[in-house]
Amino acid sequence: DIVMTQSPDSLAVSLGERATINCKSSQSVLYSSNNKNSLTWYQQKPGQPPKLLIYWASTRESGVPDRFSGSGSGTDFTLTISSLQAEDVAVYYCQQYYSTPYTFGQGTKLEIK
Amino acid sequence: EVQLVESGGGLVQPGGSLRLSCAASGFTFSSYWMHWVRQAPGKGLVWVSHLNSDGSVTNYADSVKGRFTISRDNAKNTLYLQMNSLRAEDTAVYYCGRSSGYVDYWGQGTLVTVSS
Repeated sequence: DIVMTQSPDSLAVSLGERATINCKSSQSVLYSSNNKNSLTWYQQKPGQPPKLLIYWASTRESGVPDRFSGSGSGTDFTLTISSLQAEDVAVYYCQQYYSTPYTFGQGTKLEIK
Repeated sequence: EVQLVESGGGLVQPGGSLRLSCAASGFTFSSYWMHWVRQAPGKGLVWVSHLNSDGSVTNYADSVKGRFTISRDNAKNTLYLQMNSLRAEDTAVYYCGRSSGYVDYWGQGTLVTVSS
């Protein structure tokens, strides 16, 4: 199984500042047929289902604010929120869909400083 | 608008069974793979299972293999998860999700509690 490890486990950032969350996979999730990384980022707020933010490691889902961006390749990935807003308080998860089981990271809790 | 509505959760004793349903609307259900993902109270997300558009290909997490069965009825636009030999550690909110490889749409979830 591919192990997904996020860092940090929790993060406090001031409003308007940049937030960076890292995700590392235990093996490459680069899909050779399209040269894209099979990595998504989800946002989950309390009492709600997860919401898709980013897929193929860097493609922003329609309707997601452009302050959210994803980067990385192979085994190391990053979710960046360029200017933190109050509504961004949530838990963020990465997930690989390269091979089953489609494993998630343990989550990163983002709070306002 | 894509909608996924789970049902069938509840309280069940250890060793018991439960069948979850996920009613889909707003898209061509028969064209998409579908997933089940669960989340224990206060814990992270765990992928459970998925199946292909006609139900002929399925995959499971090791923790549920041999106990859970995923299936679908494309005529009814409904996804199912038959859960047998339930354990306390299966207690979780169970989400169904539409697949584009990743889950692009999620239901609101249904809570399964396994307890005596």
